[in-house]
Amino acid sequence: GDSVTQMEGPVTLSEEAFLTINCTYTATGYPSLFWYVQYPGEGLQLLLKATKADDKGSNKGFEATYRKETTSFHLEKGSVQVSDSAVYFCALNRYGNNRLAFGKGNQVVVIP
Amino acid sequence: GAVVSQHPSWVICKSGTSVKIECRSLDFQATTMFWYRQFPKQSLMLMATSNEGSKATYEQGVEKDKFLINHASLTLSTLTVTSAHPEDSSFYICSAKAPGTTHTDTQYFGPGTRLTVL
Repeated sequence: GDSVTQMEGPVTLSEEAFLTINCTYTATGYPSLFWYVQYPGEGLQLLLKATKADDKGSNKGFEATYRKETTSFHLEKGSVQVSDSAVYFCALNRYGNNRLAFGKGNQVVVIP
Repeated sequence: GAVVSQHPSWVICKSGTSVKIECRSLDFQATTMFWYRQFPKQSLMLMATSNEGSKATYEQGVEKDKFLINHASLTLSTLTVTSAHPEDSSFYICSAKAPGTTHTDTQYFGPGTRLTVL
């Protein structure tokens, strides 16, 4: 079935550092891909999405490109801030299907 | 933006009792709501899809008699964990989707409910 794999473990980095969180997926057909962010005490919020190959989603300085050849959707930000500290989830759904499949999530901690 | 609330945010109950969790869309109507379960350091796992006015659709392996879902209005879905046991302890999250939106559109998530069964 459809699945999403995120890199293991929390990510701790200093303010203004470059952030990358890896995400790979397994799915039949052509899924849509999403990154969700969960700030402490809040619900998941959509950060960005891409609906077809080579699309780039971007928001709040974050970017991710839908790479069909490598089945990846890695999240990047060039210069993180303390306010970016949160849990980030990669997810997919297949065309015509509202059901989201999530990765395990990555805790990101940005140190001043 | 669209807001989804959950109540309670946390609950502790004794084994064998039933617990009801509410999910509300506060500023939009949601014909479809989803219930997820999240174990520590694990993915969100979809439990069921709840459609207003009809029976919920459960994912494979989810006991529908144990996790009762009711979507009686366009702004409220409830999840009742019946005869709860310690293994039901988890973080339960709901999401809601506005009517007429497509599969690529946003699901709006609630903040989650932490259930602890003693």
